[in-house]
Amino acid sequence: IQLTQSPSSLSASVGDRVTITCRASQGITTYLVWYQQKPGKAPKLLIYAASNLQSGVPSRFSGSGSGTDFTLTISSLQPEDFATYYCQQFNNYPITFGQGTRLEIK
Amino acid sequence: QVQLVQSGTEVKKPGASVKVSCKASGYTFTSYAFIWVRQAPGQGLEWMGWISTSNGNTNYAQNLQGRVTMTTDTSTSTAYMELRSLRSDDTAVYYCARVEDRIMAIDYWGQGTLVTVSS
Repeated sequence: IQLTQSPSSLSASVGDRVTITCRASQGITTYLVWYQQKPGKAPKLLIYAASNLQSGVPSRFSGSGSGTDFTLTISSLQPEDFATYYCQQFNNYPITFGQGTRLEIK
Repeated sequence: QVQLVQSGTEVKKPGASVKVSCKASGYTFTSYAFIWVRQAPGQGLEWMGWISTSNGNTNYAQNLQGRVTMTTDTSTSTAYMELRSLRSDDTAVYYCARVEDRIMAIDYWGQGTLVTVSS
């Protein structure tokens, strides 16, 4: 299953609302996960099962979607949110990741 | 607290093998599977394979079949990933990661191990 994220990169300002899309090449129900990765660090779990916020993750992060189309939304960007975001599907093997979306400061 | 601590940086020549370890602590080792993920410099995340810590079952990425072996040692709560016949394009940071089956997601990651393949 291929996951295609859009955009590949994005420039935004603190306080902006940002949406990242992940499209699956076939239906994956809600077995979709979002991670945040900062340079030199391991990824961090943000959202699981498409729309469930991981414990400890700020509520400005939200996820939605099912089937083939999914979104990650950050309601009001904070300085610490500038990072790369990946989606991942756990519907079946091989487990696959999107190519990543790099979120940069405008 | 849950911790996954990986072995240190490796430098290998083409054709050699590397074995990366991942020692788990802070939870019952056999209750969670492991995934190995790698990330080439400046690139995205690549799933390498999955191993069950309860029965040793594995599932490897097709492009690594025949070169990769994942194992666990339940007596020391350690997972291992061995990659053979190394090539320059195997240069990457290798991560072990714990799978939380109840949410079908990776909830903890190791710190990463840089493997450089160079002649």
